[in-house]
Amino acid sequence: EVQLVESGGGLVQPGGSLRLSCSASGFTFSSYAMHWVRQAPGKGLEYVSAISSNGGSTYYADSVKGRFTISRDNSKNTLYLQMSSLRAEDTAVYYCVKDHDSGASTGVFDYWGQGTLVTVSS
Amino acid sequence: DIQMTQSPSTLSASVGDRVTITCRASQSISSWLAWYQQKPGKAPKLLIYKASSLESGVPSRFSGSGSGTEFTLTISSLQPDDFATYYCQQYNSYPAITFGQGTRLEIK
Repeated sequence: EVQLVESGGGLVQPGGSLRLSCSASGFTFSSYAMHWVRQAPGKGLEYVSAISSNGGSTYYADSVKGRFTISRDNSKNTLYLQMSSLRAEDTAVYYCVKDHDSGASTGVFDYWGQGTLVTVSS
Repeated sequence: DIQMTQSPSTLSASVGDRVTITCRASQSISSWLAWYQQKPGKAPKLLIYKASSLESGVPSRFSGSGSGTEFTLTISSLQPDDFATYYCQQYNSYPAITFGQGTRLEIK
């Protein structure tokens, strides 16, 4: 059974940093691109970042470019999102998401974690 | 960025009804469209990809159609479990992925 378990969310002050982790199991982690998608309270879904299966390629939405860094450790089956210079508008539930197909990413998301809430407030 | 617009924003329907949700793209996305269902407090669930391909395990009452800029998600006979919010998502311009704003399906 595929499982994605996020951790690391919490309350942080504006300008602060936080690192989210996503522990994956039930599939060959190293074969799949992975993604982060966020959802502000009461709002819709926003695509944040992607990383290729081997970690060699990354992508960031304009809203987080230069402030967030996605990475992965395939030996630990873990995905990360390092967030810095956090702003109030980064407040959201952050979902770790698995790509549908192995190898090259499709941009279709077949498994989602339960999400971790990040609150940026003083 | 490609903009995705869903209509309606809210839809009231009854168990057994046939419902259709529309998603329009600001430019052609071929068939690179997915649909997700989200219930309150839960993560989204993939229903449809490539506009009309049903994800494994999803009931056959869900179907998708369309290409280019206009797409629809149809639920043939609403079940109590189907009341949720539905999102379309384009991946034609991957990795510049965008979602629609969501359609809330509520009980009439």
